[in-house]
Order: sequence, then C-alpha cells, then structure tokens
Amino acid sequence: AQSVTQPDIHITVSEGASLELRCNYSYGATPYLFWYVQSPGQGLQLLLKYFSGDTLVQGIKGFEAEFKRSQSSFNLRKPSVHWSDAAEYFCAVGAQESNTGKLIFGQGTTLQVKP
Amino acid sequence: NAGVTQTPKFQVLKTGQSMTLQCAQDMNHNSMYWYRQDPGMGLRLIYYSASEGTTDKGEVPNGYNVSRLNKREFSLRLESAAPSQTSVYFCASGFRGQPQHFGDGTRLSIL
Repeated sequence: AQSVTQPDIHITVSEGASLELRCNYSYGATPYLFWYVQSPGQGLQLLLKYFSGDTLVQGIKGFEAEFKRSQSSFNLRKPSVHWSDAAEYFCAVGAQESNTGKLIFGQGTTLQVKP
Repeated sequence: NAGVTQTPKFQVLKTGQSMTLQCAQDMNHNSMYWYRQDPGMGLRLIYYSASEGTTDKGEVPNGYNVSRLNKREFSLRLESAAPSQTSVYFCASGFRGQPQHFGDGTRLSIL
C-alpha cells in the first residue's frame, strides 16, 4: 500500500539549534517527493521538491532535504532554526508517471521553537 | 497579490443544505486541485483538474462535484451537506502533478 509516515507528531527545538524532520514512504512507482509548510490559519507553502538527480535538494527559507532510496526516506533539515519556523510540516509523495496531483500526504509534524 | 483566492473563508451549514466553494488563481497554472484537511489525516485529494475542460476524481470524491469554469476558476459543490463533510477545504494550483500554491482555506462546519 502507498503511504507516507512522519514518525514525529510534535517536535520542540531551541532557536538556533539544528532541525531534522523525518519522512518515510512506501510507494510502488518512481516517486517524486515534496515538503510543505503550513502556518496557523493558512494554506500550505511548497518548501522543496525532488524529482531526480542530486539527492540533496535545496529549498526556500534555508531548508534542505535528502532523498535516500535505500531507506525510503526524504528527511527535511535546517542548520539553525528561527522562531518564525514554528509551523506544521507535511511530507508528500506522488508518482512521476502521473500528472494528477494525487499526492499522498503524511499526517504532519508540528514544530515548536523555544526562545 | 498573485496567488490562489478562496471564498468564503468560513461557513456554517445545516445538514442537507447545499453550497459552492469558489477558487480562483491568477498564475496561469493549468492544473487545479481541491483537498480537504482533517485532524491527524493530512490532506486528501477530492477532485483535480489537469487542464481547462477536464476534471477527475481524487481519493475522497463522494458527496462532492466540481466545475472547471475556465483556466482561472475551479469550484467545489456540496449538493447535500453531511456532518462528515465538516473540514477545512483547500484549493491549490500548479503544474502537472505538482500543487504548488494553496489558498488560505475554507473552514466549513455542518450541523
């Protein structure tokens, strides 16, 4: 079955500390992968995406993610977290052969940043 | 500002009532999407439109209909609202298979 798992429902980090949000997927087709961020009361914003090529992907707001096919993972990282990064983060996977936008979303990870 | 605009932002309905959620984008994207977001379940695709004139069912289409009025507009209709449709609804636009820009959502409560 196709699925996306974000093992951490809630994470708290101190401002300035490094961050890693985990994402594991189970997908039969060749996947493409996304990370989105959602601030309270707002829609989702695309942080970054992976289709092919370099497995380390750079995104907006200083985020990066690494695709590891052998581990079926696409973890999101940031070297130094800012208070404004507090939000909910969603990992999503879709099929490269498809143009449907039928992404499967994880349940989300809520990030809290301590001063 | 460029982006995806959804109306209304909030709505309360009684069971059995109908309503249409409106969505418009001004980024010249071909594809548009409707998702619902429920606590602990991430986002689930209701319907999508790969291009003007086409619509297809997503993961949870039952109880909904859509209309791709033109390239800019993609509406979602609840014909007979049910409490199970209480949710936050998001419209998105983007390129093939890539919802890139989301609206701020419509918070819908059905009593």
